Amino acid sequence: QKEVEQNSGPLSVPEGAIASLNCTYSDRGSQSFFWYRQYSGKSPELIMSIYSNGDKEDGRFTAQLNKASQYVSLLIRDSQPSDSATYLCASDRGSTLGRLYFGRGTQLTVWP
Amino acid sequence: GAVVSQHPSWVICKSGTSVKIECRSLDFQATTMFWYRQFPKQSLMLMATSNEGSKATYEQGVEKDKFLINHASLTLSTLTVTSAHPEDSSFYICSARTGSLYEQYFGPGTRLTVT
Repeated sequence: QKEVEQNSGPLSVPEGAIASLNCTYSDRGSQSFFWYRQYSGKSPELIMSIYSNGDKEDGRFTAQLNKASQYVSLLIRDSQPSDSATYLCASDRGSTLGRLYFGRGTQLTVWP
Repeated sequence: GAVVSQHPSWVICKSGTSVKIECRSLDFQATTMFWYRQFPKQSLMLMATSNEGSKATYEQGVEKDKFLINHASLTLSTLTVTSAHPEDSSFYICSARTGSLYEQYFGPGTRLTVT
């Protein structure tokens, strides 16, 4: 069983729309959750971290966490073509080593 | 803040040679550094976790004698691919974390091509 699963996509939205990316996790011991953005040919970039149930907003990005449902999501408001990338969901493995589980990523395309 | 650098950004080497990749945390002390490999259109694969002054912890299936990791200081970790073969050609990315947080900050990656 994969520890972190994401919609494989690809997801395509028009410019200005809301893009919704979803992720579920299987390890109930996970406490920290992250969204990374990875442009083609580049390394991942941390865009959001969330630790508590509820919503966390940062600019156009909102992360949502529901530990009871083991569900994490990322909303991107007013999507821009520059948001076109692969979005990786990650959760901690609950160990002192600090390793993360990564999902396979969802490819997002924002068309003008 | 939280900037991680890698060197070189790309390298081409001949089969059978060894290649060393450096990973540095530039503006923070990294309690732990991680090495990943990513093949085209695939997700990140964690290879190993390293802490300063101790032996690296390798993931299952990763050959520790082939992928040598040295974590000499709180700001520097190196990955040496020994006796490289064409199947080792990949995108190698390091990341680092500081303190007790799980957030990882990634370096820009090193693209290795073995001919």
